[in-house]
Amino acid sequence: KAGVTQTPRYLIKTRGQQVTLSCSPISGHRSVSWYQQTPGQGLQFLFEYFSETQRNKGNFPGRFSGRQFSNSRSEMNVSTLELGDSALYLCASTPWGGSNEQFFGPGTRLTVL
Amino acid sequence: KQEVTQIPAALSVPEGENLVLNCSFTDSAIYNLQWFRQDPGKGLTSLLLIQSSQREQTSGRLNASLDKSSGRSTLYIAASQPGDSATYLCATYNTDKLIFGTGTRLQVFP
Repeated sequence: KAGVTQTPRYLIKTRGQQVTLSCSPISGHRSVSWYQQTPGQGLQFLFEYFSETQRNKGNFPGRFSGRQFSNSRSEMNVSTLELGDSALYLCASTPWGGSNEQFFGPGTRLTVL
Repeated sequence: KQEVTQIPAALSVPEGENLVLNCSFTDSAIYNLQWFRQDPGKGLTSLLLIQSSQREQTSGRLNASLDKSSGRSTLYIAASQPGDSATYLCATYNTDKLIFGTGTRLQVFP
C-alpha cells in the first residue's frame, strides 16, 4: 500500500505570493492533518480534515487555510506569504477508527524569499 | 495545555550502547503516545504507538514504555547502530491533535 504523498517536495516563493500544497493520504484513510515544522517552533498543528470537513484548527492566522476533497486528498493554501512561513509542511493521514496512529508524508519544503 | 518535553536534547554515543530517551508530558489525559524518527530534511517515520491503556510496546530493538500517572514515556534502543542516528520525537494525542516534544538528536558513531 502506498504511503502518504505530498507535492511538490520543494517550493521557492517570494513575499506576498500565495502557495498551494497537496497531500494524498494512504488509501482508505479519511483523516488528514497538517503540521508546520520550523527550527524555532518545532512541529505545530495547523488543521485536520475528515470527510471534507475541518474538524480542528491550530493557532495560525487566517492566511493558512485548507480543504479536503471527496477522495480524501487535501490541499493547504497560504496567502500573502511572509518570510516566517518558510518551513517544512508535513501532512499525516489516519485511518478511520482504531488507534488514531498518524502516518506522515515526506513533507514540502517551502522557502519564502 | 499539554506540554511535551524531551531529555536529553542531544546525545552522542559509540555503537553498541543501549540507550534511553525520555519524554515527559503535563496532561495525563492522553489518548495515545507515539514515537517518531526523523532523518535530516525528511518526514516522520512512526516507530511505536502506545495506547493509553497499554504500558509498553516493542518493535525489534526498540521498546517504549508509558506511565500516564507520572506523565512519562521512555524509548529504549538496544545495541545502537550508526543507522539509528536521527532525531527522535515523541508526541501525545489528546482530544484532537498530536502535541510534539522538541526531540532528541541522536548520533551513534562507529
